Amino acid sequence: GENVGLHLPTLSVQEGDNSIINCAYSNSASDYFIWYKQESGKGPQFIIDIRSNMDKRQGQRVTVLLNKTVKHLSLQIAATQPGDSAVYFCAEKPTGGSYIPTFGRGTSLIVHP
Amino acid sequence: GAVVSQHPSWVICKSGTSVKIECRSLDFQATTMFWYRQFPKQSLMLMATSNEGSKATYEQGVEKDKFLINHASLTLSTLTVTSAHPEDSSFYICSVAGISTDTQYFGPGTRLTVL
Repeated sequence: GENVGLHLPTLSVQEGDNSIINCAYSNSASDYFIWYKQESGKGPQFIIDIRSNMDKRQGQRVTVLLNKTVKHLSLQIAATQPGDSAVYFCAEKPTGGSYIPTFGRGTSLIVHP
Repeated sequence: GAVVSQHPSWVICKSGTSVKIECRSLDFQATTMFWYRQFPKQSLMLMATSNEGSKATYEQGVEKDKFLINHASLTLSTLTVTSAHPEDSSFYICSVAGISTDTQYFGPGTRLTVL
């Protein structure tokens, strides 16, 4: 059948700008969320996580925001650098479930020098 | 986090041959490993959960006789793609679940190209 919507959404930013990558999750029972970064030809790399009892968590240059009301997750990258260029995936894990997360579609971040 | 390696990093094979991919947990013993497949510009799709000393658990739609998984030790899981076809060409990634967290740590992936 026709493959619709399989192209990754893309976010292009200038070096030094802040980037915001969004993710909508589907399972209201999810209680743990993770952001992964995947560079071309490599495996995903853990960036930051957040549990459902929080709405914000900060790391080094990254912040994750969780809005459980609308089931929305975002990753903010401050002062984006060319090395941040990658595909970013959000993943959710349901309450009491196994540690196998469900991966979102991914967003391709392109940072222009 | 856990350090996970995969071998080979890439492989090209002829249609009809079998290819084995190794996944190693280098710094801790993993009773459970996971195998994913990723097509270009798509997300990761879980193929199977590899359990040390027992049979793997396959996701719906994944042929267990085509994708053979062996998890013979706490540090090694192998995925064998049998009678490979061009449509099996993909990026295969393994992961290990962390001991005390819900986080998975991924290997660097293996690019399989079937001619």
